Amino acid sequence: DTAVSQTPKYLVTQMGNDKSIKCEQNLGHDTMYWYKQDSKKFLKIMFSYNNKELIINETVPNRFSPKSPDKAHLNLHINSLELGDSAVYFCASSQLAWLGNEKLFFGSGTQLSVL
Amino acid sequence: GNSVTQMEGPVTLSEEAFLTINCTYTATGYPSLFWYVQYPGEGLQLLLKATKADDKGSNKGFEATYRKETTSFHLEKGSVQVSDSAVYFCALSDPDAGGTSYGKLTFGQGTILTVHP
Repeated sequence: DTAVSQTPKYLVTQMGNDKSIKCEQNLGHDTMYWYKQDSKKFLKIMFSYNNKELIINETVPNRFSPKSPDKAHLNLHINSLELGDSAVYFCASSQLAWLGNEKLFFGSGTQLSVL
Repeated sequence: GNSVTQMEGPVTLSEEAFLTINCTYTATGYPSLFWYVQYPGEGLQLLLKATKADDKGSNKGFEATYRKETTSFHLEKGSVQVSDSAVYFCALSDPDAGGTSYGKLTFGQGTILTVHP
């Protein structure tokens, strides 16, 4: 059983399109995240939800909109895709939002290529 | 703000060589420190952690010691294997930073390790 699963694994699309990436965790965790990893492997948080409520919203263009229908799901919708959005997007979860002693569980990533 | 700096990669070693990946940090409070590893085509997974000064985290032959005086958390392994080839990320969580770090890990830029037979 995959703990954190995200779909699709690969996403190739044209500039200007709208796309969504889905994420589900079966660990019973309260907190979920979206991270973006660029081509140089640099990893940066985008959003975090705790019990369906947004708790972190980094400086991300408002073309990116997360949606959490329940605490086991956190989807990422991207409008008007741009070339610079090409990256690997990772979903993650943790039991608590306070990460002093917590471990993040990551999905295997979605490689987005915008042409 | 918080930041993590790792040594530049990529690092290429022969099997059974000694590994050190340097990591230094800047934090406003007393952070917890982590090493995560990303194997090819996979998400990150926790390798080891340390939550207070002088703690040593260890797992799978890897070790790192939390050094508050040098603000460092260097990763070491005495004898690497081909299966250790991956990207290694140092990270911190700083729960004392007035709530601004709530729910957030700050990652270093990652170090690519390749081990040859």
